[in-house]
Amino acid sequence: GAVVSQHPSRVICKSGTSVKIECRSLDFQATTMFWYRQFPKQSLMLMATSNEGSKATYEQGVEKDKFLINHASLTLSTLTVTSAHPEDSSFYICSAESGGVPSYEQYFGPGTRLTVT
Amino acid sequence: GQQLNQSPQSMFIQEGEDVSMNCTSSSIFNTWLWYKQDPGEGPVLLIALYKAGELTSNGRLTAQFGITRKDSFLNISASIPSDVGIYFCAGVAGKSTFGDGTTLTVKP
Repeated sequence: GAVVSQHPSRVICKSGTSVKIECRSLDFQATTMFWYRQFPKQSLMLMATSNEGSKATYEQGVEKDKFLINHASLTLSTLTVTSAHPEDSSFYICSAESGGVPSYEQYFGPGTRLTVT
Repeated sequence: GQQLNQSPQSMFIQEGEDVSMNCTSSSIFNTWLWYKQDPGEGPVLLIALYKAGELTSNGRLTAQFGITRKDSFLNISASIPSDVGIYFCAGVAGKSTFGDGTTLTVKP
């Protein structure tokens, strides 16, 4: 149980284009999903918290107009990197929150490797 | 905000050795979680701890929820090459706070 998928797993795009990454909870409903960014050999950097049916909450320093998040259903959240630039190249990972009794746990997707040329 | 100190930052060990890593905080948590991230993959939940003092095993992995609720440790016994990866702790108190990870390298 608690499986999270991400699509695509890898994407290469040209500078100036937009890229959409999907995050799905396959066997549970997730009111809350999270988007992380990870640079090589570094920790997880939380970008934003996505709540179904409401606006995402962005961490300090993350441009909300550049990283558009939509959480339209209890099983799907999307991250759109708009007008991508080479510095946006990174490993993006989503997670979905499950549980609640006794505690919530985050289950992670397999990640999306974005390369902007 | 809440912060976790995870140590060590990295470990280089010989196959067969035991490994120990821990997370400490000045904040109290209700749940401690331990994840492992393989290269190029997302983190996978290894062990969840829900009670202070709880000791839980998952195969060669053992984790404990500190009595003060401010710390947790993870032990790996008889390491093997596939144990390589980054191990993250997370403390949960409403929201989750992640440690910076321990990178484990196992030499055959």
